[in-house]
Amino acid sequence: KNEVEQSPQNLTAQEGEFITINCSYSVGISALHWLQQHPGGGIVSLFMLSSGKKKHGRLIATINIQEKHSSLHITASHPRDSAVYICAVRRGGSGSRLTFGEGTQLTVNP
Amino acid sequence: DTGVSQNPRHKITKRGQNVTFRCDPISEHNRLYWYRQTLGQGPEFLTYFQNEAQLEKSRLLSDRFSAERPKGSFSTLEIQRTEQGDSAMYLCASSFLTGREETQYFGPGTRLLVL
Repeated sequence: KNEVEQSPQNLTAQEGEFITINCSYSVGISALHWLQQHPGGGIVSLFMLSSGKKKHGRLIATINIQEKHSSLHITASHPRDSAVYICAVRRGGSGSRLTFGEGTQLTVNP
Repeated sequence: DTGVSQNPRHKITKRGQNVTFRCDPISEHNRLYWYRQTLGQGPEFLTYFQNEAQLEKSRLLSDRFSAERPKGSFSTLEIQRTEQGDSAMYLCASSFLTGREETQYFGPGTRLLVL
């Protein structure tokens, strides 16, 4: 079993829909990251969380440390949100390496 | 452009050849990471440097792989005697650790195809 599991693997939505991507992890962490990867490979960091909730524009990320679970929400989705969204954790007390989930491919249709 | 840059962006090589990739981090970033990503998978950690010191290496980094960061600025990743299984995207990221906060900034990656 992977240390970081994401669901769903693939998600197709209509423009304007509210989207949720989930991430569960099985190890102690010091931080959790949500990343966005566009075709061609470039990765952009969206959020870094160690507790609670963060919001940036139409994106909201939450984390529940006790449940070892995080969610990424996109409100009023748009075709330009189409990308792979990756959850990654930095394990507590073991340096700075990130352990990544397999990613969620999101496609938003107009 | 002051982001992380990687060269080359694409590399096609024959099995058994050696290849070398370069990563130029964001200026003043003291940490530099190498990851490998195969199609449909998330990235996997390979190794990281703090300044010029290589602090951690993954078991994925076989003895055919070597990474250096000689002056604490740019880094190179060399793969010797390439195998078809080495075909992947090789990603570099850099960061500046301040207290407990650390955001890694990723380069565009080098896509390697071993024939």
